[in-house]
Amino acid sequence: GAVVSQHPSRVICKSGTSVKIECRSLDFQATTMFWYRQFPKQSLMLMATSNEGSKATYEQGVEKDKFLINHASLTLSTLTVTSAHPEDSSFYICSAPRTGEETQYFGPGTRLLVL
Amino acid sequence: GNSVTQMEGPVTLSEEAFLTINCTYTATGYPSLFWYVQYPGEGLQLLLKATKADDKGSNKGFEATYRKETTSFHLEKGSVQVSDSAVYFCALIRNTGGFKTIFGAGTRLFVKA
Repeated sequence: GAVVSQHPSRVICKSGTSVKIECRSLDFQATTMFWYRQFPKQSLMLMATSNEGSKATYEQGVEKDKFLINHASLTLSTLTVTSAHPEDSSFYICSAPRTGEETQYFGPGTRLLVL
Repeated sequence: GNSVTQMEGPVTLSEEAFLTINCTYTATGYPSLFWYVQYPGEGLQLLLKATKADDKGSNKGFEATYRKETTSFHLEKGSVQVSDSAVYFCALIRNTGGFKTIFGAGTRLFVKA
């Protein structure tokens, strides 16, 4: 099946620093990728849609200047949490649909802890 | 608008018990419906799906039937195992274009040996 990877799997950083999370589709090209945030024991909240070659589309209430998304190639999207604060601590998950299939393939997630 | 409602958890069962996790949806048109499973510390995996009314999705002993008349997509398994302990998410994809997925809140399942 299709594989989506994320790196790093977990990261601990100090408040005020920026953290970059990578999402890669390993065996297919993805013109679109999605970034989700999941709080403990809660569902996934769609943050933004990453579009290769164009600007990301952010969901209402998500700060685009805080969560920078770059879809650099057909297999890579990055999410940068800028000036991270403890309230940004969460589980971030990316996903990508493969052409011709309706379902999405999810990455394993990145756990971010901001101290 | 589009939404998914799941039964609240946690659900605790003994091994070999019958499992039902209820899921109902609200959507315009005819969405595709999914069940995803999330094991501890991992991302989501597609468990099964159904794309039109009366379709039955099945995988690993789990099944769910797309019921348009009751707008439901309940997940069932006849005999659960300890390894089924996970969080289960019901979801739909809006048919208004793109692949934006609407997730339910998730139901945590604990299976005891």
